[in-house]
Amino acid sequence: DAGVIQSPRHEVTEMGQEVTLRCKPISGHNSLFWYRQTMMRGLELLIYFNNNVPIDDSGMPEDRFSAKMPNASFSTLKIQPSEPRDSAVYFCASTRGQGAYGYTFGSGTRLTVV
Amino acid sequence: QQQVKQSPQSLIVQKGGISIINCAYENTAFDYFPWYQQFPGKGPALLIAIRPDVSEKKEGRFTISFNKSAKQFSLHIMDSQPGDSATYFCAASVAPGAAGNKLTFGGGTRVLVKP
Repeated sequence: DAGVIQSPRHEVTEMGQEVTLRCKPISGHNSLFWYRQTMMRGLELLIYFNNNVPIDDSGMPEDRFSAKMPNASFSTLKIQPSEPRDSAVYFCASTRGQGAYGYTFGSGTRLTVV
Repeated sequence: QQQVKQSPQSLIVQKGGISIINCAYENTAFDYFPWYQQFPGKGPALLIAIRPDVSEKKEGRFTISFNKSAKQFSLHIMDSQPGDSATYFCAASVAPGAAGNKLTFGGGTRVLVKP
């Protein structure tokens, strides 16, 4: 089991540029979550999908953020245009079935916007 | 709105000591209370979890105590070891259903175990 795979591990970009973060959930997991972690705000849920359908995107901070899950094995989180305040570690997590049991997190993408 | 409040933000404990982290919640619909452990450069990993029908759960050196009437739960790390140095997050979710997959996290506690 390869776990939840995120890419890239680190991303440095200039303000105004488009950033795309990628996630491959564990095979067989049907729920996928995008979290953002900062010192000030801790772990924030941005959006989550169930069976590839977005269920709750109330945590997406602005229209600059968008997420897609075109199939059960791939999801993207896009920021366009990026701003310095978007600098954070972005985590993807997945789980199987109903309930929040046994989330498995990826290793995260550290995003720095300069 | 922070639905799960965690304290302290950080703590230092000597090797062999007991680390205690507390969490309080407001939403009485919460039905599942996990704790996650995060090492630097890694994602959080599930450590131990409890449901409100029990008051305590123990796994090795880690114990969750749960007080439903007070809406509080805590993590005790017995015989703390330097390898336990990490950030710990409490979390909560409602019962499985339309919103049942969503975990709400506390703010985290950075634990340092001194040798």
